[in-house]
Amino acid sequence: KAGVTQTPRYLIKTRGQQVTLSCSPISGHRSVSWYQQTPGQGLQFLFEYFSETQRNKGNFPGRFSGRQFSNSRSEMNVSTLELGDSALYLCASSLEVGLQETQYFGPGTRLLVL
Amino acid sequence: GESVGLHLPTLSVQEGDNSIINCAYSNSASDYFIWYKQESGKGPQFIIDIRSNMDKRQGQRVTVLLNKTVKHLSLQIAATQPGDSAVYFCAEILSGGYQKVTFGTGTKLQVIP
Repeated sequence: KAGVTQTPRYLIKTRGQQVTLSCSPISGHRSVSWYQQTPGQGLQFLFEYFSETQRNKGNFPGRFSGRQFSNSRSEMNVSTLELGDSALYLCASSLEVGLQETQYFGPGTRLLVL
Repeated sequence: GESVGLHLPTLSVQEGDNSIINCAYSNSASDYFIWYKQESGKGPQFIIDIRSNMDKRQGQRVTVLLNKTVKHLSLQIAATQPGDSAVYFCAEILSGGYQKVTFGTGTKLQVIP
């Protein structure tokens, strides 16, 4: 069974631009969660989607948004990029909703904002 | 300029010895805890979890101990192998209207062959 895939793997943007990252969960998994990982702040939770609905949400500004499609694939969008948004963005999928569920992480998208 | 990166504590262990990685969590109401392993260039990998109503849970070569009195979590790896070299971090989950998850900063485990 294929693992979680994320595209693109690397991305360079400039301040003020927006970016959309994509995540395809493991087949059969209905929950997708997004995380941001930086050297300064470590790993932080962004949000979780299940059945196309946001079920859990971290403490990030509204510039960070996401959505989930009927096939469970998910996208996250960051608008008006700031230098501090440079990070590794990780997607994780699980069978059921809830952060206590066993989550399987993708390799991440490394975003650099210049 | 660039932000200063986290200085991860490093644990160096001889191959074959046992490793103990510690984590202090912040919220006494957290009801679920998870240990993750992250190898260089990869996403985190689930190792083992424990509910707050338990003190100990064992997996294959790993044991998690939970001490709620001092809000401390530990991960014990038996017979440490070179493939165990990675960053390990804990996560605490607080249930509620929205679940809240907080991750520890991590410990780098170096296995000396």
